[in-house]
Amino acid sequence: EVQLVESGGGLAQPGGSLRLSCAASGFTFSNYAMNWVRQAPGKGLEWVSYISSSSTNIYYTDSVKGRFTISRDNAKNSLYLQMNSLRDEDTAVYYCARDPYSSGLYAFNMWGQGTMVTVSS
Amino acid sequence: EIVLTQSPGTLSLSPGERATLSCRASQSVSSSYLAWYQQKPGQAPRLLIYGASSRATGIPDRFSGSGSGTDFSLTISRLEPEDFAVYHCLQYGSSPRTFGQGTKVEIK
Repeated sequence: EVQLVESGGGLAQPGGSLRLSCAASGFTFSNYAMNWVRQAPGKGLEWVSYISSSSTNIYYTDSVKGRFTISRDNAKNSLYLQMNSLRDEDTAVYYCARDPYSSGLYAFNMWGQGTMVTVSS
Repeated sequence: EIVLTQSPGTLSLSPGERATLSCRASQSVSSSYLAWYQQKPGQAPRLLIYGASSRATGIPDRFSGSGSGTDFSLTISRLEPEDFAVYHCLQYGSSPRTFGQGTKVEIK
C-alpha cells in the first residue's frame, strides 16, 4: 500500500524541541521531493518546508527559518523535521506531503495522516 | 508571496444542489498552477483538481475547476452526502506555495 505515516508529535514547552518523522512505503521514495505542511487548530493549511529528492534543494517558510531543519534518508525511506526554539504559534497538525516529481513546484499529490504538535507551558 | 482569498467562508446547501467556490489571488498565478483539495474532519487533504481544471486520478466528474490569472473556481455539479467538507485552494506557480483559508460546504 502506498502511504506516508508521520510520528514524533506531542507536547513541548516554548523554546523546546521535537523531531518529526515520516515513513514512506509502497513507492520509490528517492524519486520524489517531499514537504512538511501544517494546519493550526481551526485554521488553513500552511506550507512549512521542502526538500528535493536528492536533498540538493531545501526551502523553508520565513517563520521557521533558523529554527526548523528538514532532512531525509532515502535508504530508510524517511523524511524528518527537526523543530527547535518552538513557539506557541507552531502548534498545529504537521503533515508530510509528497510532490509528484523529484524537484520543482507542483501540487502535493499524496499526504500522510498528520501528527499533532502542541507547544504550551 | 501570493495571497489566496476563498469565498464564501461557509456555503450551506442541500444534497443534489450545485456548489460554486471561489479562489481569488493577489497576483496572477503562473500558468494556471492552481489546485483544489477536499478535507474532511480528522483527515488529510485529498487532491481534487490541478492545473486549474484537470481532475486528479479517481475524482468524480461532478467536480470541475476553471479560471485563470487571478480568479479561479471549483464547481460541484450535484452535491453528494460525502461532498460536505472543507475545500482549500493552493497556488504552486511561485514560491512559496500558498493556500487559501478554506471554504466549508455544510448541509443546509
